Amino acid sequence: DAKTTQPPSMDCAEGRAANLPCNHSTISGNEYVYWYRQIHSQGPQYIIHGLKNNETNEMASLIITEDRKSSTLILPHATLRDTAVYYCIVGRETSGSRLTFGEGTQLTVNP
Amino acid sequence: DARVTQTPRHKVTEMGQEVTMRCQPILGHNTVFWYRQTMMQGLELLAYFRNRAPLDDSGMPKDRFSAEMPDATLATLKIQPSEPRDSAVYFCASGLPRKGEAFFGQGTRLTVV
Repeated sequence: DAKTTQPPSMDCAEGRAANLPCNHSTISGNEYVYWYRQIHSQGPQYIIHGLKNNETNEMASLIITEDRKSSTLILPHATLRDTAVYYCIVGRETSGSRLTFGEGTQLTVNP
Repeated sequence: DARVTQTPRHKVTEMGQEVTMRCQPILGHNTVFWYRQTMMQGLELLAYFRNRAPLDDSGMPKDRFSAEMPDATLATLKIQPSEPRDSAVYFCASGLPRKGEAFFGQGTRLTVV
């Protein structure tokens, strides 16, 4: 599976959009980009995933660049409850979600 | 509200004792994962199963750890004998191939003293 690079930490004001970047320059054609988050003391939570098109669900939007070497997770209106570690993971969907977690980005939403 | 259930939530045991952690995957999910999380190593995949058969357990110390799925509704992770370095939070997750998402339980926090 391709490796990902994320900033170790980010801050965001409550109510504003949080844009979390991820680099995955070695991603291969059949690999998806997944985003999970982990709120303190809880299990990781799936957010969204995509292959090459932008994706949106009730939690977030995922923007993948045309060359697929990077992506951005967007939380449109961050709340205090969005404070968590966000993991960007690259993997093949056919692997049954076998996930290799990196260190992620600690997002802190401030009042 | 379907969820992955793990028991116990917390376990304190003495070094050398056997520890068994249990996981009930979401009904209908045929892929089950065991992860371990520590401050030093982060989240590590220990093993995963498809249709109750182990597909990959390369992340697991073979001499003391064992993972099984006695049936489709129960996955177990055993440590015998336990050591202080096994202290961690152990997560179970379940999912379906081609669905892309895995659902995690709340974890078992293990402390070996």
